Amino acid sequence: QKEVEQDPGPLSVPEGAIVSLNCTYSNSAFQYFMWYRQYSRKGPELLMYTYSSGNKEDGRFTAQVDKSSKYISLFIRDSQPSDSATYLCAMSRAQKLVFGQGTRLTINP
Amino acid sequence: EAEVAQSPRYKITEKSQAVAFWCDPISGHATLYWYRQILGQGPELLVQFQDESVVDDSQLPKDRFSAERLKGVDSTLKIQPAELGDSAMYLCASSPLSGGVNTGELFFGEGSRLTVL
Repeated sequence: QKEVEQDPGPLSVPEGAIVSLNCTYSNSAFQYFMWYRQYSRKGPELLMYTYSSGNKEDGRFTAQVDKSSKYISLFIRDSQPSDSATYLCAMSRAQKLVFGQGTRLTINP
Repeated sequence: EAEVAQSPRYKITEKSQAVAFWCDPISGHATLYWYRQILGQGPELLVQFQDESVVDDSQLPKDRFSAERLKGVDSTLKIQPAELGDSAMYLCASSPLSGGVNTGELFFGEGSRLTVL
């Protein structure tokens, strides 16, 4: 069993929809949680990071962490075609960063 | 805007050949990482440097992979001999802090895509 599980998709939604991306994890030692966006043939770029349980909002993006359920989510409001990318969850423990598999998202105009 | 530079962007080689990738991190970043990303999967750490010292190479297949960062600036990752299973994207990342993994402050390059035939 992988430490971090993420549905690879692909996920396809119409422009303007609310998108929900999720990851689960098994190791309670993870303390920091991040979401990266990776466009095709590019390196990942950090979208958001959180430490505690709860919600963190940044523009159209909201990151949610539920440590009791070992579950994290990323919500994208008013999705745009430019949001089409692979979204990777990542979490760190003992100075090690572990990535999920990534979810491939397409926003259709 | 400062970026992590990597070369080559694409490399096609035959198995048993040697291949090398180069990375120039953002100026002033002391921590440098090499990740491997197999198609459809998330990046996995191969090696981490703090300045010129290796901090973690526990996942580096040392029988065929080597990495160095001689002057604590740019870095080279070498594979010799390459195998079919080495086909992947090799990503370099740098961070201004050793604790950058805790805040996600890793800045990735565009990667070097390796195809082994």
